[in-house]
Amino acid sequence: IQMTQSPSSLSASVGDRVTITCRASQDITNYLAWYQQKPGKVPKLLIYSASTLQSGVPSRFSGSGFGTDFTLTISSLQPEDVATYYCQKYNSILFGGGTKVEIK
Amino acid sequence: QVQLMQSGHEVKKPGASVKVSCKASGYTFSGYYIHWVRQAPGQGLEWMGWINTNNGDTNSPQKFLGRVTMTRDTSISTAYMQLSRLRSDDTAVYYCARSRGEVVRRYFDYWGQGTLVTVSS
Repeated sequence: IQMTQSPSSLSASVGDRVTITCRASQDITNYLAWYQQKPGKVPKLLIYSASTLQSGVPSRFSGSGFGTDFTLTISSLQPEDVATYYCQKYNSILFGGGTKVEIK
Repeated sequence: QVQLMQSGHEVKKPGASVKVSCKASGYTFSGYYIHWVRQAPGQGLEWMGWINTNNGDTNSPQKFLGRVTMTRDTSISTAYMQLSRLRSDDTAVYYCARSRGEVVRRYFDYWGQGTLVTVSS
């Protein structure tokens, strides 16, 4: 199984809506998590079960999808959201390649 | 509070082995799996395997079979990852992370701070 993220990088303005896509090569139901890794920092869990927000994560982050296609949305991009975002399937563990988010 | 505290920077020569430790605190150690994930410089996250801290069972992807050994010492709430026959492309930051054992909860909610392993002649 492969996990394909797109785009690999993006640049957006503060306040923009940002969407990152993750596609599994086989059905993974909702065994999908999203992580945020800020530069030089440890990865942080944002979302699990495709759409459940981890405690303490700002509500501007949301996840959706089921089966093979998933999205992570940042409703209003903030400067502190500059990071690389990874999807992960966790029925048999595999990470996507990552999406680097920058401020325009 | 939950903490996973890893051992420090290691510098090894090609062909050698390295053993990284991950000491857990703030929760019941045997109630969670410990996973190992590595990140080469400028690259993404690569899962290396998990250990069931309750019974010692392990699982790794094919790529690491025969080269990675995961163990734990429940008396001191510490997990270990040993990687043998090191190559230069094993240079990376190695993370431990915890998850529940059941598949529906096998996402990583806490991570260690990372251990840099440098392989150089």
